[in-house]
Amino acid sequence: GNSVTQMEGPVTLSEEAFLTINCTYTATGYPSLFWYVQYPGEGLQLLLKATKADDKGSNKGFEATYRKETTSFHLEKGSVQVSDSAVYFCALSDPYSGNTPLVFGKGTRLSVIA
Amino acid sequence: GAVVSQHPSRVICKSGTSVKIECRSLDFQATTMFWYRQFPKQSLMLMATSNEGSKATYEQGVEKDKFLINHASLTLSTLTVTSAHPEDSSFYICSASDPFGGLQETQYFGPGTRLLVL
Repeated sequence: GNSVTQMEGPVTLSEEAFLTINCTYTATGYPSLFWYVQYPGEGLQLLLKATKADDKGSNKGFEATYRKETTSFHLEKGSVQVSDSAVYFCALSDPYSGNTPLVFGKGTRLSVIA
Repeated sequence: GAVVSQHPSRVICKSGTSVKIECRSLDFQATTMFWYRQFPKQSLMLMATSNEGSKATYEQGVEKDKFLINHASLTLSTLTVTSAHPEDSSFYICSASDPFGGLQETQYFGPGTRLLVL
């Protein structure tokens, strides 16, 4: 079945450091790929998405590129801020099945220190 | 944007009691809601799909008689953990799907409910 694997955390970075959180997936066909972020005490928020190969999703300085050849969707940000401290989830969905649930990775906790 | 709330945010109960968790879509109507469960340091695992006006669809391995789901209106789904036991302690998260949203990004997530069974 479909699955998502993302790097284990926690990840601790200094402010303005470069961030990469790796995500790879296993799926039949061509899933849509997502990154969600969960700030402390809040619900999951969609950060960015990509629906086909070579698409690049971007938002708030974060970006991720849908790489079919490596089945990856790594999250990157050039310069992190303390406010980026949160848990990040990589997820996929079947784009052909309407309202279907998401398959999530385990989540990666990011802590950014000033 | 659209908001989904959950109540309570955290609950502690004694073993053998039942606990009801509410999931509400606050500014849109949701024909479909999903219930997930998350153990520490693990993925969100889908428990069931809740459709307004019909029976929920449970994932394999999820006991439907233990985790009762009711989606009686377009803005409210409830998950009742019956005869709770310590192994049911977990973080329960719901998401609501906007029928006018089209693509998957219109799933909106609640903040989660942390259940501790003593």
